[in-house]
Amino acid sequence: DARVTQTPRDKVTEMGQEVTMRCQPILGHNTVFWYRQTMMQGLELLAYFRNRAPLDDSGMPKDRFSAEMPDATLATLKIQPSEPRDSAVYFCASGLYAYEQFFGPGTRLTVL
Amino acid sequence: GIQVEQSPPDLILQEGANSTLRCNFSDSVNNLQWFHQNPWGQLINLFYIPSGTKQNGRLSATTVATERYSLLYISSSQTTDSGVYFCAVERKAAGNKLTFGGGTRVLVKP
Repeated sequence: DARVTQTPRDKVTEMGQEVTMRCQPILGHNTVFWYRQTMMQGLELLAYFRNRAPLDDSGMPKDRFSAEMPDATLATLKIQPSEPRDSAVYFCASGLYAYEQFFGPGTRLTVL
Repeated sequence: GIQVEQSPPDLILQEGANSTLRCNFSDSVNNLQWFHQNPWGQLINLFYIPSGTKQNGRLSATTVATERYSLLYISSSQTTDSGVYFCAVERKAAGNKLTFGGGTRVLVKP
């Protein structure tokens, strides 16, 4: 059945290292979202794309985070350099325009 | 931004009991979704319900958009219903951003 996939599922890295997270949206969905979940902040939107174009990245720390969609089947979220405060679960979600969003399993990031 | 408040924050149920979870939001919305986050962290779609009432098995939801609230009903609860239930809304004229409530943590005891 159709679902959003994310890799890696878990990532442990050291402060200062580059981290890249990948997402494959559901085939046919034209809107892709990146969310972050922490105990303190809960679930918050980082950025989203429509038809591969970035529409809003206001939730994302600009100096170290970047999000791209090289093609319709791949979205990436990169952190460079990573910091301990970036430790969180990062979710990708996809949807068709402004309707229901479907979430991937998440990437659990730990920055030591 | 829009405020989304869920109540109660925690709920302990005996298996077989019924319960109601509430979501209040502070502005007009285009979209409202209910999710269940299971103990493994997966966010599972329960309902896409910007207005009206829907039912899916033992779960049902009602959104009264004019009064800015939504309710999630769990009937005959089972231990597999344990987890955190999130309400998320998309404010009108705010793009497709979902703003999540703080969640209701549910524990169903056998």
